[in-house]
Amino acid sequence: QLQLQESGPGLIKPSETLSLTCTVSGGSISSGYFWGWIRQPPGKGLEWIGNFYYSGRTYYNPSLKSRVTISADTSKNQFSLKLTSVTAADTAVYHCARRRDDYGDYYDYWGQGTLVTVSS
Amino acid sequence: DVVMTQSPDSLAVSLGERATINCKSSQSVSHSANNNNYLAWYQQKPGQPPTLLISWASTRESGVPDRFSGSGSGTDFTLTISSLQAEDVAVYYCQQYYSAPITFGQGTRLEIK
Repeated sequence: QLQLQESGPGLIKPSETLSLTCTVSGGSISSGYFWGWIRQPPGKGLEWIGNFYYSGRTYYNPSLKSRVTISADTSKNQFSLKLTSVTAADTAVYHCARRRDDYGDYYDYWGQGTLVTVSS
Repeated sequence: DVVMTQSPDSLAVSLGERATINCKSSQSVSHSANNNNYLAWYQQKPGQPPTLLISWASTRESGVPDRFSGSGSGTDFTLTISSLQAEDVAVYYCQQYYSAPITFGQGTRLEIK
């Protein structure tokens, strides 16, 4: 059974860089899927951040593109999210997830999520 | 971006009754060439990540009870729960994947009356 688990600091200061890692078990991130990040501000809806393909292709939400980097460490079966210059508006639960397939950008496996709070 | 608007924001339905959630997109999310509807539905229970229920507007995921069904095309879509069970209490989200960036509806909270 595929499992995804997010990890990283739960509290960061404004203007700092948010760094999260998603560890995948039960499957390989090099197996031909897209892997993505989706966030959810407390009590609010879902916002797609971006995704990547193991071959190196990355796609980002234009609203965040200037601040986001998604990368992978295939040796550890992990992928990461970096979001620079954070503000309180970036406070959210951050989920990593697997995109189902090449034909549709929807997500069938999700991590539990990790809450990141931006506060001084 | 395609704006997805769900209605109602919250819904209370009696056990065993039908629940209907609507999702409207600001532009069509259906592809005329292949008749595919690029619309998914998720269920999110408190403290849990979203769970994929339906893709392509009407294709149920494996293991999803058949009381859940999706319909619609173009800009108007519906998630129907034919006979509400206690375990269906959750927030439901629609998501379009016709146009990048993918976008989600604001969510509909479903409760027991």
